[in-house]
Amino acid sequence: ETGVTQSPTHLIKTRGQQVTLRCSSQSGHNTVSWYQQALGQGPQFIFQYYREEENGRGNFPPRFSGLQFPNYSSELNVNALELDDSALYLCASSPGLASDTQYFGPGTRLTVL
Amino acid sequence: QKEVEQDPGPLSVPEGAIVSLNCTYSNSAFQYFMWYRQYSRKGPELLMYTYSSGNKEDGRFTAQVDKSSKYISLFIRDSQPSDSATYLCAFYNQGGKLIFGQGTELSVKP
Repeated sequence: ETGVTQSPTHLIKTRGQQVTLRCSSQSGHNTVSWYQQALGQGPQFIFQYYREEENGRGNFPPRFSGLQFPNYSSELNVNALELDDSALYLCASSPGLASDTQYFGPGTRLTVL
Repeated sequence: QKEVEQDPGPLSVPEGAIVSLNCTYSNSAFQYFMWYRQYSRKGPELLMYTYSSGNKEDGRFTAQVDKSSKYISLFIRDSQPSDSATYLCAFYNQGGKLIFGQGTELSVKP
């Protein structure tokens, strides 16, 4: 176990709705990264937060947004859901930046109908 | 051209076989090389992490990096049914962000 937890485990939404996914990092880990993993693909980097500030973003539209809180929890928000947003969403925590090992949570499987 | 190429498989081998998993990459700035294992319905877990060319061994697992050819491999000796999973190669880019391969699905048959 990595000590990284995510909720909920599964979620079903309809197109156009909004969703919030949650992650609890390992204590002491100041960095959280979020990834989207489509079926049969590797994880794709969405964005990273370090000490509550965004520290880099992948090729995802602004309707994907995030927050990181001082208590090592974080959120991924997705507005105006599209069918292609159906995927496994993973968060990973690490002590700092750069080449630190990232520890992944079990993921939230989102289905958009 | 994709930054990382990984054969998605699926790869099926008998128990006890030696497994070879491979990735090629195009970005010569990649300095850190990783292999993650992902069981069905779970998050990826780090198996091997190396930053230099050559071999790194950990039990039944050996990671091999050839920076000149931009090629990395993971070898699994004496494969077990419990090794059945998807194996993902991963690299840190210049911005310190993880870039993953597509993943290779491995099945080890008893």
